[in-house]
Amino acid sequence: AQSVTQLDSHVSVSEGTPVLLRCNYSSSYSPSLFWYVQHPNKGLQLLLKYTSAATLVKGINGFEAEFKKSETSFHLTKPSAHMSDAAEYFCVVRYYGSSNTGKLIFGQGTTLQVKP
Amino acid sequence: DGGITQSPKYLFRKEGQNVTLSCEQNLNHDAMYWYRQDPGQGLRLIYYSQIVNDFQKGDIAEGYSVSREKKESFPLTVTSAQKNPTAFYLCASSKSSNQPQHFGDGTRLSIL
Repeated sequence: AQSVTQLDSHVSVSEGTPVLLRCNYSSSYSPSLFWYVQHPNKGLQLLLKYTSAATLVKGINGFEAEFKKSETSFHLTKPSAHMSDAAEYFCVVRYYGSSNTGKLIFGQGTTLQVKP
Repeated sequence: DGGITQSPKYLFRKEGQNVTLSCEQNLNHDAMYWYRQDPGQGLRLIYYSQIVNDFQKGDIAEGYSVSREKKESFPLTVTSAQKNPTAFYLCASSKSSNQPQHFGDGTRLSIL
């Protein structure tokens, strides 16, 4: 069975300092992994995706994530936080079952707070 | 601009009433999805459709119904059988089932 766990429900950083949002996954197959961001009362926007190419994935707005198979992790990082980064972040794994449904399994979300 | 449009943005339901949430996309995507989001939780899949005139139940389909008569449209009906409908509802679409999903801005449903 596939699952995804976001290790922190809330992360607070100061503007200009690094961001680390942690995610572990469980999958019997080679996973497709995603990070999405959600601003209040908005839909989800795709930040980046891993689909078995390069293990270091670069996304939009300066975010990147590294796929580590040995640790079953896909942590999201950014060197320097900006006030506009404050939002909810979701780590997501694609479900692989008897039919390719495209079903996504979402983590519980991490709220990123950026202090001035 | 191409995208996904959900309407209305806010919706109120009375006891015993069915309400329908609209989702329209002009991305020419084959697959469409409905999710429910509750505070402090990730998204849960209600229904999905991989092609016109076909749809399948997701993890929490009870109390909901959908139709997919046109490629562009995937409306969700919240029936009176859904006893706890208050939530944020998100519609998504993708070119195919193995492509990333694009999301609308959601509809917030509340009980009067």
